[in-house]
Amino acid sequence: NAGVMQNPRHLVRRRGQEARLRCSPMKGHSHVYWYRQLPEEGLKFMVYLQKENIIDESGMPKERFSAEFPKEGPSILRIQQVVRGDSAAYFCASSPGASGSTDTQYFGPGTRLTVL
Amino acid sequence: EDQVTQSPEALRLQEGESSSLNCSYTVSGLRGLFWYRQDPGKGPEFLFTLYSAGEEKEKERLKATLTKKESFLHITAPKPEDSATYLCAVQAYSGGYNKLIFGAGTRLAVHP
Repeated sequence: NAGVMQNPRHLVRRRGQEARLRCSPMKGHSHVYWYRQLPEEGLKFMVYLQKENIIDESGMPKERFSAEFPKEGPSILRIQQVVRGDSAAYFCASSPGASGSTDTQYFGPGTRLTVL
Repeated sequence: EDQVTQSPEALRLQEGESSSLNCSYTVSGLRGLFWYRQDPGKGPEFLFTLYSAGEEKEKERLKATLTKKESFLHITAPKPEDSATYLCAVQAYSGGYNKLIFGAGTRLAVHP
């Protein structure tokens, strides 16, 4: 059973370009979460999605950032007009989405975004 | 406000020198407390889930315990391969789903 997959693993963009990060959840998981991690810091929640629905985007900047999880295909985190402050590691996690009880999130290897 | 605090920020141990990492939390509606291990350049790896005060779980040299206000990750006779950042997270029911809130982590270095 393959784990959570993310690609690319490393992404370099120049200021003003767009970055697209992809996440394929574990088999059987229908819930996807995106986190951002800066060096020496913890994981900061960005957005929680289920298939074709954004459930909670309270941690995602209102401008330039968007996320989707279409009916078919991976979840995508999109950053438009990147700035140097967007440089970070972006992690995707997935869970089976058990309601009313604890729901374990499993993480992918991350995408390290560098903005020049 | 829900909050998770881990201490110490960094810990250096000699091989075989046992110690404990602390995770204190304030959260309403706790659904579970999670421990993850993160190696440099990799994603967090799930270790344990604890659900209620008094619960303990073990895996090799690691043992996690939970009280009403904090959790400890005890490392017995650590080896260099135990060097990693250990992340604590609490899951609380908020906004209609189980939200995970992370602490900043403890960076553990075990030297031979």
